[in-house]
Amino acid sequence: KAGVTQTPRYLIKTRGQQVTLSCSPISGHRSVSWYQQTPGQGLQFLFEYFSETQRNKGNFPGRFSGRQFSNSRSEMNVSTLELGDSALYLCASSYLKGNEQFFGPGTRLTVL
Amino acid sequence: EDKVVQSPLSLVVHEGDTVTLNCSYEVTNFRSLLWYKQEKKAPTFLFMLTSSGIEKKSGRLSSILDKKELSSILNITATQTGDSAIYLCATGDKIIFGKGTRLHILP
Repeated sequence: KAGVTQTPRYLIKTRGQQVTLSCSPISGHRSVSWYQQTPGQGLQFLFEYFSETQRNKGNFPGRFSGRQFSNSRSEMNVSTLELGDSALYLCASSYLKGNEQFFGPGTRLTVL
Repeated sequence: EDKVVQSPLSLVVHEGDTVTLNCSYEVTNFRSLLWYKQEKKAPTFLFMLTSSGIEKKSGRLSSILDKKELSSILNITATQTGDSAIYLCATGDKIIFGKGTRLHILP
């Protein structure tokens, strides 16, 4: 069974630009969550989608948004990038909301 | 405010020692608590604890949920250098991660 895949794996952008990250969950998983991981703040929850609906949202500004498609694939968008957005962005999928999550390898975003 | 707090933040022990990692939570509508291990890559799942399954064991690792104390512990016995990692706990449903315990095992 294929794991969670994320694309791209690495990304370099400049301040003010926008970026879209993609996540394909494990087949059959309908819940997809996004996290930002930085050395100082640890793993911070961005949002969770289940059956194309956003079910939970963390404390991030509106520049961070996401969506989920009917095939459970999810995208995350960050607009007007800031230097502080440099981080590892992890996506995780689970069969049911609240169950164990399986993480993808992450997208490392660097904002210059 | 909902939160998950882990302690200690870091721990250094010698191979063969037993360690206990702590996780306390304050979350409305608590349903489950999960433990993950993170080495150089993304976190990997260890255990999920709920009201109907408050103790889990897998090899040298075990975990207990104390719903009265709103906490959980992760025990690792006979530690090995391969256990060196960051251990994360998180509440399920309303997903909140603790900052993790960085465990380093000396040979």
